[in-house]
Amino acid sequence: RKEVEQDPGPFNVPEGATVAFNCTYSNSASQSFFWYRQDCRKEPKLLMSVYSSGNEDGRFTAQLNRASQYISLLIRDSKLSDSATYLCVVDTGTASKLTFGTGTRLQVTL
Amino acid sequence: NAGVTQTPKFQVLKTGQSMTLQCAQDMNHNSMYWYRQDPGMGLRLIYYSASEGTTDKGEVPNGYNVSRLNKREFSLRLESAAPSQTSVYFCASSEGGALNTEAFFGQGTRLTVV
Repeated sequence: RKEVEQDPGPFNVPEGATVAFNCTYSNSASQSFFWYRQDCRKEPKLLMSVYSSGNEDGRFTAQLNRASQYISLLIRDSKLSDSATYLCVVDTGTASKLTFGTGTRLQVTL
Repeated sequence: NAGVTQTPKFQVLKTGQSMTLQCAQDMNHNSMYWYRQDPGMGLRLIYYSASEGTTDKGEVPNGYNVSRLNKREFSLRLESAAPSQTSVYFCASSEGGALNTEAFFGQGTRLTVV
């Protein structure tokens, strides 16, 4: 089983739609969780950290379910500019070692 | 504010040639990483350095060596390049520690081995 698994997509959604991505992780000792965004041929950049209580940043909501070992990202009112690949990132329980999922591609269309 | 700087941005090597990818960060971060990204494979960790003076293997270390020259710099060396090492390489840094903070990435090096 991969340490971090994501549905690769692509998710094709119309502008204004709500879309959700899930990610599962295998190491129950993991402490830190993140969603990164990567635009085509660019470096990944932090979108948001994921906290146990869940957190929201504008149109983006991230949630963590430790019991089931998955994290989710919800994007409301999708914009064309949200088109990108979203990477789930989990620390492996060993300090300073981050593991990335393969990414979920989102394409928002008119 | 430069953040993480990688050089070169593009490189073409012949099989068997060697080269070193350079990475420097100006954020006083403890941890530095080298990843490679291939289509459909996501980012895979090659080596990482939790602090100055230490390095550890990641998921795909074979064919690579690293040097944490000082707190700022972390280089990746290919001793004898192979076509399978054609990839996009990213260097990253983070504050590190038991609870990881945000990782910042360089712009990447697109390497082709022919």
